[in-house]
Amino acid sequence: GAGVSQSPSNKVTEKGKDVELRCDPISGHTALYWYRQSLGQGLEFLIYFQGNSAPDKSGLPSDRFSAERTGGSVSTLTIQRTQQEDSAVYLCASSLAYLAKNIQYFGAGTRLSVL
Amino acid sequence: AQTVTQSQPEMSVQEAETVTLSCTYDTSESDYYLFWYKQPPSRQMILVIRQEAYKQQNATENRFSVNFQKAAKSFSLKISDSQLGDAAMYFCAYRHSLTQGGSEKLVFGKGTKLTVNP
Repeated sequence: GAGVSQSPSNKVTEKGKDVELRCDPISGHTALYWYRQSLGQGLEFLIYFQGNSAPDKSGLPSDRFSAERTGGSVSTLTIQRTQQEDSAVYLCASSLAYLAKNIQYFGAGTRLSVL
Repeated sequence: AQTVTQSQPEMSVQEAETVTLSCTYDTSESDYYLFWYKQPPSRQMILVIRQEAYKQQNATENRFSVNFQKAAKSFSLKISDSQLGDAAMYFCAYRHSLTQGGSEKLVFGKGTKLTVNP
């Protein structure tokens, strides 16, 4: 596609439910990143994919968070047993990796609200 | 760990005037990249300008320029001839150089909200 696409744009869920957030990167981009943007913490890195593998998942806050990427394209971020502190905007970015000058291009994010 | 600090939570500027947004960072590396991203209310982060640490020349993109002071670990953004469309959150970000095997993740500051007054 022309840009990074994220869905849904907004998601409201009840505490304790599981949610899935989707990211469709720019065609041909091999690297994919998830970030979380919350009022108190700013923008935080969650996980990075190169192809289908995740060399850096150091930012995942707990084992309730997981992510996968299939076919070197679409990625899904799953949050199990959501908590109110999970409320945030989840941003996805993609880039051409293995280039020193690579630029990360961002999607418009998914705003998650946990009631 | 690397940190990025933006000391101005909010700034305002009159249309057509010039404004400078501040950013400082902390790193022990000699090779890295610095970025300024703009986030309008649509939430999509847009790259404004990029600086490579090994380049002494300050980056410039039309009305946007940076003042990169490597020794001081300072990376400010100057917006000239401010326009109403420049109103947004601006984030300063740091990234390791891939040649040093660092993570590709971006480390962000907490942002500066820029208001442009007509």
